Parts: sequence; C-alpha cells; structure tokens
Amino acid sequence: DQQVKQNSPSLSVQEGRISILNCDYTNSMFDYFLWYKKYPAEGPTFLISISSIKDKNEDGRFTVFLNKSAKHLSLHIVPSQPGDSAVYFCAATINNNDMRFGAGTRLTVKP
Amino acid sequence: DTGVSQDPRHKITKRGQNVTFRCDPISEHNHLYWYRQTLGQGPEFLTYFQNEAQLEKSRLLSDRFSAERPKGSFSTLEIQRTEQGDSAMYLCASSRTGGAGYGYTFGSGTRLTVV
Repeated sequence: DQQVKQNSPSLSVQEGRISILNCDYTNSMFDYFLWYKKYPAEGPTFLISISSIKDKNEDGRFTVFLNKSAKHLSLHIVPSQPGDSAVYFCAATINNNDMRFGAGTRLTVKP
Repeated sequence: DTGVSQDPRHKITKRGQNVTFRCDPISEHNHLYWYRQTLGQGPEFLTYFQNEAQLEKSRLLSDRFSAERPKGSFSTLEIQRTEQGDSAMYLCASSRTGGAGYGYTFGSGTRLTVV
C-alpha cells in the first residue's frame, strides 16, 4: 500500500537553477509532510516539513508547497548547488508515528 | 548530542543464522523507530517504541523479527533464521515527544547481507 509516491526516480539540473521535486499522497489523514535528504552510506537527514494546515513553508533555499486538494507536495531548491546532489525522500505522518516514505528522487546538480 | 548510533554498520551472515542489531538513540528522545530500506525504495516502517513500550508493529515484522527497548534507552532488533530476502539496510531513528514536524533523526544504518 504505497501511500506516498515519488514518480520521478531522478532529476538533473544545472547549478544555480531551480530544482523541483514532486510527491503525491493518498491518505487524507496525514497531518505532517516532510522532506529528507540522503547521501550514500548515511541515514536520511531531515530537511524541511509542512503542517497539513499550511500551504507553504520556507527555510533558506528550500521551500515546500502543499496542495491538499490535489494531495500533492513539492520541494523547491533555489538556487541549486552541487552539494545538493543526493536522494530526496518525501514522507508523511499521522501524529508523528508510522512515517511513510516515498521511493526517493535522485537529484544531480551539475556545475 | 552524538546522534543516533547503530551497530554494527555491516553484517554478513549465512542463511538460517540469527542476527541482532543495536540502536542507541539521542538521549532525550523517548520515541524510537526501526525501518528497513531495500535498493531503490524508501524506508519501510517496521516498529515503534515510546519509552520501553512497543506501540506499533508493521505487517512486515514477521514472527522471525523481534525488537526490544529495555529501560527505554537503547533498542535491539533480532532476526531469527535469516533468509536472503532479509538483506537490506536496517535504519533506526528517534524523536522527542511532540516532535511532529521536526522529523526523525536517523542513524547511519546496519547493512545486512544474507548469503
């Protein structure tokens, strides 16, 4: 039962441009949505989150947008930097328990 | 704050053997989670502890899997009679009470290879 889906396995962007990573979900009970970043041989690292009662949250170069009617969220990174190259996981949770993850999108930022 | 520690980092075992992994969460985090990740997939939830109480278990956690968190500090995940399908990265994470929106802090994982 894949409740969180990331349909793009990979994304390549040029340094300085915007990276947009997308995520869809099916469970309307999710109350928080999160993005994690993962480098090889490391565990996922929390990046940014958004409550289901908001439609936007910004933290420096990272902005997450939530469209509840479409059950869709996206992560915008601008400007993209080579150090942003990693696998990005979208996640969703109810009461911070049983967090569900998407399959991930591998972002490559080219110098 | 030394983060979440997992031991060992790698484990190679023969099919049918038992293995045990350890996780030391961040000291002030009373919530602890185990996840499993296979190649090309996101982490899959296995089980969740609040202090020493195991509050939730996934259907993925067959009767060959058992997890404990005695005294509400470190946790162990044991797999009995390992099978090749158990080969995966096993991730431990912790969070504090009321931490919704702050995410979990993950360890670097234990990579299990069953041969």
